[in-house]
Amino acid sequence: SYELTQPPSVSVSPGQTARITCSGDSLPNKFAYWYQQKSGQAPVLVIYEDNKRPSGIPERFSGSSSGTMATLTISGAQVEDEADYYCYSTDSSGNHRVFGGGTKLTVL
Amino acid sequence: QVQLQESGPGLVEPSGTLSLTCAVSGGSISNNNWWGWVRQSPRKGLEWIGEIFYSGNTNYNPSLESRVTISIETSKNQFSLSLRSVTAADTALYYCTRVRYGGSEFYFVDWGQGTLVTASP
Repeated sequence: SYELTQPPSVSVSPGQTARITCSGDSLPNKFAYWYQQKSGQAPVLVIYEDNKRPSGIPERFSGSSSGTMATLTISGAQVEDEADYYCYSTDSSGNHRVFGGGTKLTVL
Repeated sequence: QVQLQESGPGLVEPSGTLSLTCAVSGGSISNNNWWGWVRQSPRKGLEWIGEIFYSGNTNYNPSLESRVTISIETSKNQFSLSLRSVTAADTALYYCTRVRYGGSEFYFVDWGQGTLVTASP
């Protein structure tokens, strides 16, 4: 089955840039999506189609994708950005849609 | 942005059927959208279950397809999940979602708050 791989944790100080990666064999041909999940809450879409930001998501959130790796970048991370972040994508057939294992972002 | 609210039993006996309903408010369920279910457990993380179009077309996760049915009731502005032959491995937080089709891929735009379902005697 298809898998997306994320680092378990990333830690930055407030104001620094946080980068969270997601690797998957089909990412050269499929979009990556990113979800933020704060403790006890439902996931929230923060990036779609590699690099598009839904309305209401702060500009400090951006996404990129190159080859088999997609990256979520939070420029000037804030304490309120502490959360679990999940990438999501599809295998080449489109039949297997999966989430990465999640990355815990600590900002302190 | 629509609001989604899950409801249903929090406890299901092993080998029984899990049944959940998602009520949609703030918009019509027939408004050219797909509606789906995602679950989350410590063991498997976030897992896509499937989705349904307002016309009744469905897509299911191949690993669950033999046990899952998603249905829709446009008159009640709600859709439902049925998962048969449950085991402890189906214990999870179940989310209903509004699903967008971007022309080539599906993704989850809006989420309910989630409802915990435990499979236990």
